[in-house]
Amino acid sequence: GAGVSQSPSNKVTEKGKDVELRCDPISGHTALYWYRQSLGQGLEFLIYFQGNSAPDKSGLPSDRFSAERTGGSVSTLTIQRTQQEDSAVYLCASSLGSAYTEAFFGQGTRLTVV
Amino acid sequence: GIQVEQSPPDLILQEGANSTLRCNFSDSVNNLQWFHQNPWGQLINLFYIPSGTKQNGRLSATTVATERYSLLYISSSQTTDSGVYFCAVGERRTGFQKLVFGTGTRLLVSP
Repeated sequence: GAGVSQSPSNKVTEKGKDVELRCDPISGHTALYWYRQSLGQGLEFLIYFQGNSAPDKSGLPSDRFSAERTGGSVSTLTIQRTQQEDSAVYLCASSLGSAYTEAFFGQGTRLTVV
Repeated sequence: GIQVEQSPPDLILQEGANSTLRCNFSDSVNNLQWFHQNPWGQLINLFYIPSGTKQNGRLSATTVATERYSLLYISSSQTTDSGVYFCAVGERRTGFQKLVFGTGTRLLVSP
């Protein structure tokens, strides 16, 4: 597609359930990022994929969070046993992957844990 | 890791006024981006500007990498300029690829 696509746009889940968030990067982009934005706050880095290299998971807040990227393209962020503090907008971005290229963001997935 | 500070944190303008937003960073960078987050939460790319000056309509940006700051200028502001402006830089220890965001400047332009 022309841009980064995320699904679903909105997700309401019950506390304790698992959720999966999906990101389709721009075609040809080898770098993919996940960020989280809580209400009224800045962007918090979660995880970064670059090609076939091991991902940078340094931002994942707990072991309930995991992400994978299949075939160097689509990525899924999984949150297990969701908690209310997980409620936020989850944003995905992609770039061509070198140190000098521009990142583009999807529209985000708004997660609400009730 | 690299620190990114933006100022001012909040800004209220009358329509038609000009403004300057500042982004300071604590280490050398090879990439720097300015984004506008609109009221619907979408992050819109404004500039990719690791150094030098660029202009796009009423907006322009300047990055002085040697002095570790970037400026975003908004001229003749409009109500549609309202939202949050973020600066993001690549972190050296990740080969400049991981983007670290500042805390943003929240802009409100009133009619």
